[in-house]
Amino acid sequence: AQTVTQSQPEMSVQEAETVTLSCTYDTSESNYYLFWYKQPPSRQMILVIRQEAYKQQNATENRFSVNFQKAAKSFSLKISDSQLGDTAMYFCALRHYNQGGKLIFGQGTELSVKP
Amino acid sequence: GAVVSQHPSWVICKSGTSVKIECRSLDFQATTMFWYRQFPKQSLMLMATSNEGSKATYEQGVEKDKFLINHASLTLSTLTVTSAHPEDSSFYICSARPGQGAGDYGYTFGSGTRLTVV
Repeated sequence: AQTVTQSQPEMSVQEAETVTLSCTYDTSESNYYLFWYKQPPSRQMILVIRQEAYKQQNATENRFSVNFQKAAKSFSLKISDSQLGDTAMYFCALRHYNQGGKLIFGQGTELSVKP
Repeated sequence: GAVVSQHPSWVICKSGTSVKIECRSLDFQATTMFWYRQFPKQSLMLMATSNEGSKATYEQGVEKDKFLINHASLTLSTLTVTSAHPEDSSFYICSARPGQGAGDYGYTFGSGTRLTVV
């Protein structure tokens, strides 16, 4: 079975500090993508960062970076210099190259950035 | 960037009536559209996958006769909640997958529709 697990339902961080959100997944496939999506109070889903499984180098997008550990099936998101606008639900997601392109989402982590 | 327009953003309907939700890809062709349902503070639950010109594929446990999906063109997909009941009240989100060669990366999501059945 393919599953994505986010074990932190809620987290909080002080503005300007760094926070790491955890995600583990299970799949028997070798070709897949991993994503982090952000859902702010507006509920619009926004792609934060993506990682292709065959790439060893961790993806980085400005203040957002991932720690991709393929053998451990771990894909954590690090947010540096947290800003109030980072307050949102964060979802980790897995997509296989085939299998219809479905996204498999984790349960989500609600992040609050405090001033 | 790719934009998916979803309408309406919110709707209130009476029990027993039907409601149609539209998703349009504005600047790309969406060969596949995914429809999700989301309860407050929960994850997105995939309801069905629709490919342009063919019947939708529904996830286990989703009533295909209640949630009618039509994907008649490469830029428009609709979800119709038929004979709606209060338990159908939820947040519905669409997500579009572009065609091959158009950058098959993270999909583009609509802004969602909050359905309240009274």
